[in-house]
Amino acid sequence: DSGVTQTPKHLITATGQRVTLRCSPRSGDLSVYWYQQSLDQGLQFLIQYYNGEERAKGNILERFSAQQFPDLHSELNLSSLELGDSALYFCASTVSGRAADTQYFGPGTRLTVL
Amino acid sequence: SQQGEEDPQALSIQEGENATMNCSYKTSINNLQWYRQNSGRGLVHLILIRSNEREKHSGRLRVTLDTSKKSSSLLITASRAADTASYFCATDDPRNNDMRFGAGTRLTVKP
Repeated sequence: DSGVTQTPKHLITATGQRVTLRCSPRSGDLSVYWYQQSLDQGLQFLIQYYNGEERAKGNILERFSAQQFPDLHSELNLSSLELGDSALYFCASTVSGRAADTQYFGPGTRLTVL
Repeated sequence: SQQGEEDPQALSIQEGENATMNCSYKTSINNLQWYRQNSGRGLVHLILIRSNEREKHSGRLRVTLDTSKKSSSLLITASRAADTASYFCATDDPRNNDMRFGAGTRLTVKP
């Protein structure tokens, strides 16, 4: 158990809908990273937050947005969903927010868009 | 885009054999990490090697790093069926402060 929690575990929705994925980092960790893992694309970095502020941005679509709240939990919002958004979404946390740190991953949310 | 690329994409061995996976990357790094992922689960950190280190051991794991060739290898000795998983290398990108993962090597250890 990494100490990182993600909810929900599974999410099934329809194209065009909007969903919110939630992540709580390990106690004491200030930084949260979001990743998308699909079968044909591997693990893609989406976005990073550190202590409430956006720190780095990867291949995140404009339809996706995220934020980190004062209690350090983070939410990833996916809107106007398409079939291709079906994937596993992971969050990971680190203490300092440096990319060189070890990342602790949550169990993931499996999103299925029908 | 991905920074690291693992090789081979898939590897199948018998229990007790050694497994070697390779990773190549493109830009300078601060360190390189290896992670393991059981099917559909979150990634678990295995080992970190800094850019000024050449070799590191942890239990049955041995990692090497050659910064001149921008490559790393992960050796798992005396493999067990429980080692069956996907293995990813990850490198930090100092330009963007993000971590990039390779596509992974899927290891199958047959009992």
